[in-house]
Amino acid sequence: NAGVTQTPKFQVLKTGQSMTLQCAQDMNHNSMYWYRQDPGMGLRLIYYSASEGTTDKGEVPNGYNVSRLNKREFSLRLESAAPSQTSVYFCASSELVTDNQPQHFGDGTRLSIL
Amino acid sequence: GENVEQHPSTLSVQEGDSAVIKCTYSDSASNYFPWYKQELGKRPQLIIDIRSNVGEKKDQRIAVTLNKTAKHFSLHITETQPEDSAVYFCAASRGNAGKSTFGDGTTLTVKP
Repeated sequence: NAGVTQTPKFQVLKTGQSMTLQCAQDMNHNSMYWYRQDPGMGLRLIYYSASEGTTDKGEVPNGYNVSRLNKREFSLRLESAAPSQTSVYFCASSELVTDNQPQHFGDGTRLSIL
Repeated sequence: GENVEQHPSTLSVQEGDSAVIKCTYSDSASNYFPWYKQELGKRPQLIIDIRSNVGEKKDQRIAVTLNKTAKHFSLHITETQPEDSAVYFCAASRGNAGKSTFGDGTTLTVKP
């Protein structure tokens, strides 16, 4: 049982390049999330998917797109990377039931934009 | 939207002392309050959570208290150990697809 798996773990891009961060979970969770973590600023929600087939913007969606490929997979795409997008990106998942449930995080992707 | 403020941003204690981290939230409809621990270079992991129908919850050396009227909740760690050193995040959510708003984190250092 791997939990939440993110790939790649590290990536360096040049300004203007594009890339997709991959996330998969094997816990049969309905909800999935993408966060970015910058020093001293905690975790900020980029996009989330409450259930398969739905996606919604979070707090900081500009410059990003997402795809909920199926129940297991939720990808984050940077179409034209900018230095301001240098950050650590975490994917998370949770059950979607009547009461809120804790989120399970992946190990993160450390992304540098030069 | 929800706003969560967390204090202090850094906390240093001697081994064996207690540590308290406080968070306030703005949305009175929030009903779920988890706490996550993040060790250096690692993923955030849930350590304890509390729901709005409960005022206090304990798990060994860790406890969380909730004051719905004042809209604040606190993490209490007793008998701190060096391995408690980490960044701690509080969060609040209101049942909207489990979407949580996080505080900015508290860096706890436990000195041996």
